[in-house]
Amino acid sequence: GAGVSQSPSNKVTEKGKDVELRCDPISGHTALYWYRQRLGQGLEFLIYFQGNSAPDKSGLPSDRFSAERTGESVSTLTIQRTQQEDSAVYLCASSLGGLQGGNTIYFGEGSWLTVV
Amino acid sequence: QKEVEQNSGPLSVPEGAIASLNCTYSDRVSQSFFWYRQYSGKSPELIMSIYSNGDKEDGRFTAQLNKASQYVSLLIRDSQPSDSATYLCAVNGGGGADGLTFGKGTHLIIQP
Repeated sequence: GAGVSQSPSNKVTEKGKDVELRCDPISGHTALYWYRQRLGQGLEFLIYFQGNSAPDKSGLPSDRFSAERTGESVSTLTIQRTQQEDSAVYLCASSLGGLQGGNTIYFGEGSWLTVV
Repeated sequence: QKEVEQNSGPLSVPEGAIASLNCTYSDRVSQSFFWYRQYSGKSPELIMSIYSNGDKEDGRFTAQLNKASQYVSLLIRDSQPSDSATYLCAVNGGGGADGLTFGKGTHLIIQP
């Protein structure tokens, strides 16, 4: 597609439920990133996928968070047993290759998650 | 812990003036530096990237990098009300193996 596509754009869920957030990167982009941004705060790195390499999960805040990516395409971020502090916008981004190669990151419009 | 620091603002600048946004970073081995603009309720959009010491100009925007001082800045000339947004500084090397570490952003307000 023309840009990074995320769904759902908005999600309201009850505390304790599981949610899945989907990201479709720009076609041909091998690198995919998930970030979280709480209201009025900066971006927190969550996880990074690059091609077929093992993902860098160093930013995942707890074991309730997990993410998968199928090859070099769609990624799903799953949050289990959601808590109110999980309320945030979850931003997916992709880049043509690694940033060391001079590539840049392009963001999707985000999935706004509200846990009530 | 790799950090990127920005003054949160708000930074208020009259229309037509130069807005100067500053950023410092802690990781000396950082190689790539980016400025993103984020309007309220929207996702960040790339404004400038800079990789070498010195200035890089693109239209009304100029990015400045000083690796020795671990400092990167963004100048916006002839500021317009539409430039009012939060500006995020991002540095390569902090957010995982090849991700970006972001500052918390500077809220810029251009006064008509």
